[in-house]
Amino acid sequence: EPEVTQTPSHQVTQMGQEVILRCVPISNHLYFYWYRQILGQKVEFLVSFYNNEISEKSEIFDDQFSVERPDGSNFTLKIRSTKLEDSAMYFCASRRGPPGELFFGEGSRLTVL
Amino acid sequence: SQELEQSPQSLIVQEGKNLTINCTSSKTLYGLYWYKQKYGEGLIFLMMLQKGGEEKSHEKITAKLDEKKQQSSLHITASQPSHAGIYLCGAAEVDSNYQLIWGAGTKLIIKP
Repeated sequence: EPEVTQTPSHQVTQMGQEVILRCVPISNHLYFYWYRQILGQKVEFLVSFYNNEISEKSEIFDDQFSVERPDGSNFTLKIRSTKLEDSAMYFCASRRGPPGELFFGEGSRLTVL
Repeated sequence: SQELEQSPQSLIVQEGKNLTINCTSSKTLYGLYWYKQKYGEGLIFLMMLQKGGEEKSHEKITAKLDEKKQQSSLHITASQPSHAGIYLCGAAEVDSNYQLIWGAGTKLIIKP
C-alpha cells in the first residue's frame, strides 16, 4: 500500500541551527501539507502546497519556515533558525485531489535544545 | 474560524464494552476525518465522511456525520486493548485548500 514517508524520524538540534525535514508524498498525489503537533497539544496546520507553490499558510508559518519540492518526489520543510518552541512532531501529508483521504507520514520529531 | 470540540477528553472503558466519541462544530463541516494516534506517534487514518447522514464502518468502528454536517460520532463496539490511543477528529474548512483544523483529541484507555 502506498504511503507517505518522512525522514528523519527524530532530529535533535541546537537553537539557531537550520533544520530540513524531508517527505516523500505518494507518487500520484498533487496536494502536499505540513502540520505540526507540540507534544500534548492539538495538531496545527502549517502550510499547503499545490502546483509548485504555497497555496495556504498559517500564522505559525513565518519567515523562518520555507517549503520546497526540489524534484518530482521530495517535499521539504526548512526551518532556518530553530527556536526552542519549534520542538514538535512535524507531519507531512498528501492527497490526490479534493476531496479525499489525507495520507499522513509517521512524523518527524524535532527537539531543539 | 471554525473550532472543533471533542468529547469526552478522556475515556476509560472496560474491555468488551461499547463507547462513543463526539466531535462538534459550530459551522457546517465540509469533510470530517477521524484519525487514531498513539501518544507521540503518527496519525492513522480511520474514516472520512462528507455527506450529511453518512455512516461508515470498518471492523468494529463506526463513524457517522449528522444531517446538518456539524456533528460526528465515532462508535466502537466490543472494545479491545488494540483500540487504546488518542482519537482525533479533523475537519476541512470550506473555501480552503483543504487544510484541516483539529479537535483536541480523546484519550481512550481500555481496562482488561
